[in-house]
Amino acid sequence: DQQVKQNSPSLSVQEGRISILNCDYTNSMFDYFLWYKKYPAEGPTFLISISSIKDKNEDGRFTVFLNKSAKHLSLHIVPSQPGDSAVYFCAASAQESGGSNYKLTFGKGTLLTVNP
Amino acid sequence: GAGVSQSPRYKVAKRGQDVALRCDPISGHVSLFWYQQALGQGPEFLTYFQNEAQLDKSGLPSDRFFAERPEGSVSTLKIQRTQQEDSAVYLCASRQGRWSPLHFGNGTRLTVT
Repeated sequence: DQQVKQNSPSLSVQEGRISILNCDYTNSMFDYFLWYKKYPAEGPTFLISISSIKDKNEDGRFTVFLNKSAKHLSLHIVPSQPGDSAVYFCAASAQESGGSNYKLTFGKGTLLTVNP
Repeated sequence: GAGVSQSPRYKVAKRGQDVALRCDPISGHVSLFWYQQALGQGPEFLTYFQNEAQLDKSGLPSDRFFAERPEGSVSTLKIQRTQQEDSAVYLCASRQGRWSPLHFGNGTRLTVT
């Protein structure tokens, strides 16, 4: 049973346009969400995160939106650049006993291709 | 070092062999994690250390998997009697504090033939 779902395996956009990557989750205990970016043969690299007490977090060209009622989050990249081409993973965590969020549950990823 | 370092990068093992995968976390990072990433999937949690204490090993698939971090720095993931379904990329990550993001290494790609 997948608790974090990225239903689009791939997405292709033109350079300069907006990329929107989506993620749905089922576990209502998740209270912290992250996006990671992964290039081939490298480990995932942290991009941006959001706590469940917020509905938006912005960092430069990257904005994450959280809709708790719909259990949905999205990552917006504006403007998209060819160097953004990578696999993007959505991840979520819940407070474990002891109060620490440490166990990330990942989606399967979305391959973003930004065409020049 | 600047990042999490894992070795070897690639490992081919015959079924039934034992393997040991090494992780050097970022200096000063208290928390260390192991994840397993099968082809076409996202990383899946295996185990978590805080310093030398293994606080959660609920993700280890079987008792053939064993992880240690005896001095609270370098960690080793050992897989005994490897099987084909163990083929995956094994990712190590570390973080500085409770709300810090995980920093991943480049992983060890294990292929069991």
